[in-house]
Amino acid sequence: NAGVTQTPKFQVLKTGQSMTLQCAQDMNHEYMSWYRQDPGMGLRLIHYSVGAGITDQGEVPNGYNVSRSTTEDFPLRLLSAAPSQTSVYFCASSPYRQGSGGYTFGSGTRLTVV
Amino acid sequence: SQQGEEDPQALSIQEGENATMNCSYKTSINNLQWYRQNSGRGLVHLILIRSNEREKHSGRLRVTLDTSKKSSSLLITASRAADTASYFCATVMNTGFQKLVFGTGTRLLVSP
Repeated sequence: NAGVTQTPKFQVLKTGQSMTLQCAQDMNHEYMSWYRQDPGMGLRLIHYSVGAGITDQGEVPNGYNVSRSTTEDFPLRLLSAAPSQTSVYFCASSPYRQGSGGYTFGSGTRLTVV
Repeated sequence: SQQGEEDPQALSIQEGENATMNCSYKTSINNLQWYRQNSGRGLVHLILIRSNEREKHSGRLRVTLDTSKKSSSLLITASRAADTASYFCATVMNTGFQKLVFGTGTRLLVSP
């Protein structure tokens, strides 16, 4: 039981490049979310999904795109990387409706945009 | 914008002492959760307290919730060096999808 798996763990991009951060969970969780963590800012919600085929924007969605074609996978796409997107990105999942239980987090992807 | 703010931002104690962290939030909530993050790692769920609960225990953790003051506290009793981590509160609001919104965290250092 791997939980939530994020790849890659580290990535360096040049400004303007695009890339996809992968997130997969093997727990059959309905709810999945992407967060970014910046020093002094805590975690901020980028996008979330309540099930396959359903996604919505969080607090800081600009510059990011998501899709949820399967229950297991929830990739995050950076369309045209900018230095402001340098951050640590976390994917999380939960089986619980209405947030009534804890989320399981991946180990994160540390992204640097130069 | 952040929903929760933790206080203090950093806390340094000796092993065996108790550690108390506070969290304030702005809007009505469905529940409040506490997470721990070890350096360079993902977050780990510790405990959840619902809006109709006032206190909850889990092992050495004690969480209180005061909805009238929109605040919560996390008490770790008899701290150990392994408790060194950042601690975050996260709220689930009553509206919409009820997504998790995090505070800014408290960095706890427990010295042997």
